[in-house]
Amino acid sequence: DVKVTQSSRYLVKRTGEKVFLECVQDMDHENMFWYRQDPGLGLRLIYFSYDVKMKEKGDIPEGYSVSREKKERFSLILESASTNQTSMYLCASSLRQGAIGGQPQHFGDGTRLSIL
Amino acid sequence: KNEVEQSPQNLTAQEGEFITINCSYSVGISALHWLQQHPGGGIVSLFMLSSGKKKHGRLIATINIQEKHSSLHITASHPRDSAVYICAGEFPQGDWFGDRGSTLGRLYFGRGTQLTVWP
Repeated sequence: DVKVTQSSRYLVKRTGEKVFLECVQDMDHENMFWYRQDPGLGLRLIYFSYDVKMKEKGDIPEGYSVSREKKERFSLILESASTNQTSMYLCASSLRQGAIGGQPQHFGDGTRLSIL
Repeated sequence: KNEVEQSPQNLTAQEGEFITINCSYSVGISALHWLQQHPGGGIVSLFMLSSGKKKHGRLIATINIQEKHSSLHITASHPRDSAVYICAGEFPQGDWFGDRGSTLGRLYFGRGTQLTVWP
């Protein structure tokens, strides 16, 4: 069974801190994704990566960066945390699309991040 | 523009009722996903389909490509079905890896339907 593990379930940080959220998957998936989820807004894509060292901006990349040095690990970095980055952060992974149709995404349990 | 609309936003039902959640999308898709999120945050993939119908237990997902519309049905609903149900479209992103239909796996999400089933 695919396992996507996020390093923390709950995290509290202060404004201005540099924050690292880590995500590891164990199924050799090419694609990895970082989302944030806020009430009423649904899931929004921050960044994604389709291969090692490759990254693409999603819909809300401002204030974030990512790192993918190894295939199994995708890190989200809040360069200088602000209170409006308080949210639930979810990581997901999937296989590269096959010849027909798509591939399901497998999600981690999420990190509830509070910025004080 | 790749857009996914979902309705209703909230749905309340009595145990045993037949439930339908609707999803429409703006342009041609490679695949349509249905996901479930229980309180506490975990999201699981229920279905992925590009045509026709799929069934798993009491859950049925259908898609009409011509009308750009998908439905998720729950038969004989139960309180344990209470969750947020999310539909998401997977759209071609251009020419990647020699495949003009490549989606890069990126999903475009609806806002979700909060389903509450009362005993």
